[in-house]
Amino acid sequence: EVQLVETGGGLIQPGGSLRLSCAVSGFSVSNHYMTWVRQAPGKGLEWVSVIFAGGTTYYGHSVKGRFTISRDNSKNTLHLQLTSLTAEDTAIYYCAREGTAPDAGFRGVDLWGQGTLVTVSS
Amino acid sequence: DIVMTQSPDSLAVSLGERATIFCNSSQSVLYSSNKKSYLTWYQQKPGQPPKMLIYWASTRESGVPDRFGGSGSGTDFTLTISSLQAEDVAIYYCQQYYNAPYTFGQGTKLEIK
Repeated sequence: EVQLVETGGGLIQPGGSLRLSCAVSGFSVSNHYMTWVRQAPGKGLEWVSVIFAGGTTYYGHSVKGRFTISRDNSKNTLHLQLTSLTAEDTAIYYCAREGTAPDAGFRGVDLWGQGTLVTVSS
Repeated sequence: DIVMTQSPDSLAVSLGERATIFCNSSQSVLYSSNKKSYLTWYQQKPGQPPKMLIYWASTRESGVPDRFGGSGSGTDFTLTISSLQAEDVAIYYCQQYYNAPYTFGQGTKLEIK
């Protein structure tokens, strides 16, 4: 079955760090563009980060320098390391697969996990 | 960064009527090399992750009902639901894939009138 399952969320104090994981099944994480998107409670979607199949990474401005996206090909898992957390980082974090087309690039996210909630609070 | 602006923020439409949502990008998301606008529409229902509806501005994702249609090019885009059904109540987002960061619009909440 093709699916994404996020783990690692929870309650963390401001200034703390957390590592989110996304277990991928049904396809190889190394062959796809993989993304993290977050959604603060009652708010809209915010794009966080992407890792291309070739390993190139990009980040949103609000997380650049604090978050790191990576993948473990041997475990078929995507990660997001969160550091220097603030209350503004409180959100559901979705792991997602970018759909692409040969010679045409991105289509959009065609597979989403159910998300993991990160709450930053003292 | 490319700023995506949707209008309206919320919309109430009667069942069976047409619903139209607009999305504007602060710069063109049209690739001249392949004439594709890298604009995707998503639908999000409460408690669920988003679902892709339309990509490249006007191509319907597999399995999406044909009452959903997308149009536009460059900087101005439209999502149209030709005949609103009860199950279409959701928040709709546009997203650009022209340049990272791949920014989203703020969302449009669609309700039944």
